[in-house]
Amino acid sequence: EAGVVQSPRYKIIEKKQPVAFWCNPISGHNTLYWYLQNLGQGPELLIRYENEEAVDDSQLPKDRFSAERLKGVDSTLKIQPAELGDSAVYLCASSLSGREGQETQYFGPGTRLLVL
Amino acid sequence: GNSVTQMEGPVTLSEEAFLTINCTYTATGYPSLFWYVQYPGEGLQLLLKATKADDKGSNKGFEATYRKETTSFHLEKGSVQVSDSAVYFCALKRYSTLTFGKGTMLLVSP
Repeated sequence: EAGVVQSPRYKIIEKKQPVAFWCNPISGHNTLYWYLQNLGQGPELLIRYENEEAVDDSQLPKDRFSAERLKGVDSTLKIQPAELGDSAVYLCASSLSGREGQETQYFGPGTRLLVL
Repeated sequence: GNSVTQMEGPVTLSEEAFLTINCTYTATGYPSLFWYVQYPGEGLQLLLKATKADDKGSNKGFEATYRKETTSFHLEKGSVQVSDSAVYFCALKRYSTLTFGKGTMLLVSP
């Protein structure tokens, strides 16, 4: 079974440019997460989707970040405009929601963003 | 709020040495606890988990026991290999939200 797929794996852009990341979750997983991982830190949740609905976007900087999950499968995370401080790894994860304590999140390889 | 504290790395060991990576947590209620591993250039992989107090998670020779009284979930392995070199993240989950520690790098030399 295929795991969580993310693209691109690496992206280099100049500041003030837009950038988008794509994620395809594990087949059948209805919950999708986007995390931000800064160098030397653990991942931090940006947004969580249950099917098409964003149920937790409290940590998403909405002035420049946006996300969508059309049809409840693939998801796109966008930054516009990018800033130097956005350089990080953006991780996507998915899980099959169920009883509290039973879900396991599976992570993709991440997209490493460098803003110059 | 919820938080996870891990020992700082890097942890440097020789092959076949005993490994302990300490992890303590602060959380409301009764979280599930996890260890994830991140190999160079790869995403996080679930290593083991425990969902209630006194549970022991184990996988690939690694194990950790959920200690509610000390709010700890220390990772141990009896004999490490060079291939275990990676960054290890302790995490807790409460209401579908994972909270990670900062990670501990393990370097194992032959």
